Amino acid sequence: KAGVTQTPRYLIKTRGQQVTLSCSPISGHRSVSWYQQTPGQGLQFLFEYFSETQRNKGNFPGRFSGRQFSNSRSEMNVSTLELGDSALYLCASSSTSGDNNEQFFGPGTRLTVL
Amino acid sequence: GNSVTQMEGPVTLSEEAFLTINCTYTATGYPSLFWYVQYPGEGLQLLLKATKADDKGSNKGFEATYRKETTSFHLEKGSVQVSDSAVYFCALTRYEKLTFGTGTRLTIIP
Repeated sequence: KAGVTQTPRYLIKTRGQQVTLSCSPISGHRSVSWYQQTPGQGLQFLFEYFSETQRNKGNFPGRFSGRQFSNSRSEMNVSTLELGDSALYLCASSSTSGDNNEQFFGPGTRLTVL
Repeated sequence: GNSVTQMEGPVTLSEEAFLTINCTYTATGYPSLFWYVQYPGEGLQLLLKATKADDKGSNKGFEATYRKETTSFHLEKGSVQVSDSAVYFCALTRYEKLTFGTGTRLTIIP
């Protein structure tokens, strides 16, 4: 079974631009979560989608948004980029809801904002 | 709210040494507990998990026991190898949301 894939792997943008990151979950997985990883703040939860519905949202400004499609693929969008948005963005998928379920992580998209 | 506190790194050990990375948590209700590992340039991989009190998770020689009375989930390995060099994250889930510790960078010297 193919793992979680994220595209692109690397991105360089300038302040003020917007960016869209894509995540394809493991086949059959319906839950997709997004995390931001930075040296200063560590790993922080952005949001979680299940069956095209956002169920959980972390403490990030409205510039960060996401969506999930009927095939469970997910995208996240960051508008009006700031230097502090430079980070590794990780996507994770799991088969169903519930805290006992393992989340499988993709390799991440490294975003650099200049 | 929920939080995870883990041992600050970096930790440097010689090959075959005993490893302990401390992890304590604060959470409402009964979270599930996890250890994830991140190798250079890669995403996170689940190392082990425990879903209820007194459960012991184990994998690749690593072990951790869910201690509700001390709200702890310390990671241990009896004899580390160079290939264990990575960053280790303790985490908990409540309502499908993973809350991570700050990570501990482990380096094993031959």
